[in-house]
Amino acid sequence: KNEVEQSPQNLTAQEGEFITINCSYSVGISALHWLQQHPGGGIVSLFMLSSGKKKHGRLIATINIQEKHSSLHITASHPRDSAVYICAVPIGGSQGNLIFGKGTKLSVKP
Amino acid sequence: EPEVTQTPSHQVTQMGQEVILRCVPISNHLYFYWYRQILGQKVEFLVSFYNNEISEKSEIFDDQFSVERPDGSNFTLKIRSTKLEDSAMYFCASNLQGNNQPQHFGDGTRLSIL
Repeated sequence: KNEVEQSPQNLTAQEGEFITINCSYSVGISALHWLQQHPGGGIVSLFMLSSGKKKHGRLIATINIQEKHSSLHITASHPRDSAVYICAVPIGGSQGNLIFGKGTKLSVKP
Repeated sequence: EPEVTQTPSHQVTQMGQEVILRCVPISNHLYFYWYRQILGQKVEFLVSFYNNEISEKSEIFDDQFSVERPDGSNFTLKIRSTKLEDSAMYFCASNLQGNNQPQHFGDGTRLSIL
């Protein structure tokens, strides 16, 4: 069974700061998901990646398959980035069922 | 952009009652999922559904739970006899190709059992 660990659990930053959130997992995977959970509870998929790096706007996700580690970076953070960021990996098989980390609660102060 | 829609947004039910949570996945998607999140805890997988049958289910998904795709658009989660510990946010998700694609999530249904 795959275990997913995220750090830090909570993160407070000043607007404009560079943010890094880390995720590690215990069993080899085909791809890793980064998700954003809004304060109202809704979940949005940010990235799915299986190697290297992906960038979308101010968000960058990297993964090191050998080390079983991924990072999510936010450049020039803004108060609207305040949310819970969740890392998730497939349970196994081909159906895409996911195991989720506990999430990192990010608060960006103006 | 197409969305996964869930209804109701909040459901309050007496313990022991049956509840049905409804989801309309994105229309061309083939894989459907239910997850739940107890307040303050992480999101947990319940069940996946493909080709009109359950593909996989977790230990949480016992015989009190069932899923159904009653027509070409709806995907429902039924809890037969609710317990206090069923209180949680329930998320529906869908995608086209299983583990080869990101999942699209609905906004969730908050289920409160009294």
